[in-house]
Amino acid sequence: EVQLVESGGGLVQPGGSLRLSCAASGFTFSDHYMDWVRQAPGKGLEWVGRTRNKVNGYTTEYAASVKGRFTISRDDSKNSLYLQMNSLKIEDTAVYYCGRVSGSSWDKSFLDCWGQGTLVTVSS
Amino acid sequence: DIQLTQSPSLLSAFVGDRVTITCRASQGISSYLAWYQQKPGRAPKLLIYVTSTLQSGVPSRFSGSGSGTEFTLTISSLQPEDFATYYCQQFNSYPFTFGQGTRLEIK
Repeated sequence: EVQLVESGGGLVQPGGSLRLSCAASGFTFSDHYMDWVRQAPGKGLEWVGRTRNKVNGYTTEYAASVKGRFTISRDDSKNSLYLQMNSLKIEDTAVYYCGRVSGSSWDKSFLDCWGQGTLVTVSS
Repeated sequence: DIQLTQSPSLLSAFVGDRVTITCRASQGISSYLAWYQQKPGRAPKLLIYVTSTLQSGVPSRFSGSGSGTEFTLTISSLQPEDFATYYCQQFNSYPFTFGQGTRLEIK
């Protein structure tokens, strides 16, 4: 069974940092691109960014709202995806989901599996 | 960035009704559109991808159509478990964007 489990959320002050993790199982993690998506309380979904796989150089894409502050990385040996969040703002408060991109090595692809999410609260 | 506008934002309907949700893109996205369903407190779930392909396990009462800039999600006969929020997402070009969501509630 494909499973994604996020962890690392919590309360952090504005300007602080936090690192989220996403543990993957039930599929060949190294083959897949992976995304982060967030959802502010009571709001809609916002795409955060993507990491490609090793074949495509682990390159990344980001939403403008997080570019330069957030970094997506992965460790294929641990079947894990990460989101390093720096210079956090109050508006970064959200549930953060990791998602598996369907297929492999294809940018024009959607999320076919999502984790349960982890809540990040940025507040003083 | 490509903007996606869903209509309506709120839809009230009876069990058994046929309903349609529209997603309009600010520029052409070919067929690179997906639909997700989200229930309160749960992660989104993929329903339809590449405009009209039903994800495995999704009931056939769900269908999608469209191309270019206008897309629709249709539920042919609403079931109690279908009351949820629905989002479209374009994956034609970065940054990928979602519609604002359509909340489907029981009338």
